[in-house]
Amino acid sequence: QVQLQQWGPGLLKPSETLSLTCAVYGGSFNGYYWTWIRQPPGKGLEWIGQINHSGSTTYNPSLKGRVTISVDTSKNQFSLKLRSVNAADTAVYYCARGAYSGGDCKPQIDYWGQGTLVAVSS
Amino acid sequence: DIQMTQFPSSVSASIGDRVTITCRASRPISSCLAWYQQKPGKAPKLLVHSASSFHIGVPTTFSAGGSGTEFTLTISSLQPEDVATYYCQQASSFPLTFGGGTKVEIK
Repeated sequence: QVQLQQWGPGLLKPSETLSLTCAVYGGSFNGYYWTWIRQPPGKGLEWIGQINHSGSTTYNPSLKGRVTISVDTSKNQFSLKLRSVNAADTAVYYCARGAYSGGDCKPQIDYWGQGTLVAVSS
Repeated sequence: DIQMTQFPSSVSASIGDRVTITCRASRPISSCLAWYQQKPGKAPKLLVHSASSFHIGVPTTFSAGGSGTEFTLTISSLQPEDVATYYCQQASSFPLTFGGGTKVEIK
């Protein structure tokens, strides 16, 4: 059974860097796209970006170059860094697994981590 | 970016009622659509991928379909455990985008 377990600080000050890590247990690490998604309190979901086991990344342009996703295949882990955070970055951040289902579709998320609430406040 | 519009934004129905949620894409996305169920305080869970293929363990009271720009998720007989917010997500092009969600409640 695939499980994703994530961790990282829950409180940041404006201009600091958000840093979260997600460990993957069960299933293969290769062949999937390891993804970060966030959800501001009481709002909808926003896709942040993804990485595969070889380090190929795709990011949401809305984050304007502030985001870096990296992978450590030796530990079956991947990480998110979001620089220069502000109050609008306050959200529950989820790590997730994206899987190709065939055809021309991009990876669709099939498993999610438990979520980490990150609050940005001075 | 592809905009995903869900309606209704909320629905209140009785146990055993049929509930249908619609998701519309701003341009054709073939069958590149997923549906998720999110219960309060929990992470979303995959219900459907590729518009009509069900994830492991999804109850048979759920059905889904559509292609192109219009998609539906139907609960044939609403149960208490179906109370949740449901999201669609397009997987046709980056950035992947979600609908605004449909909150399903029991009347």
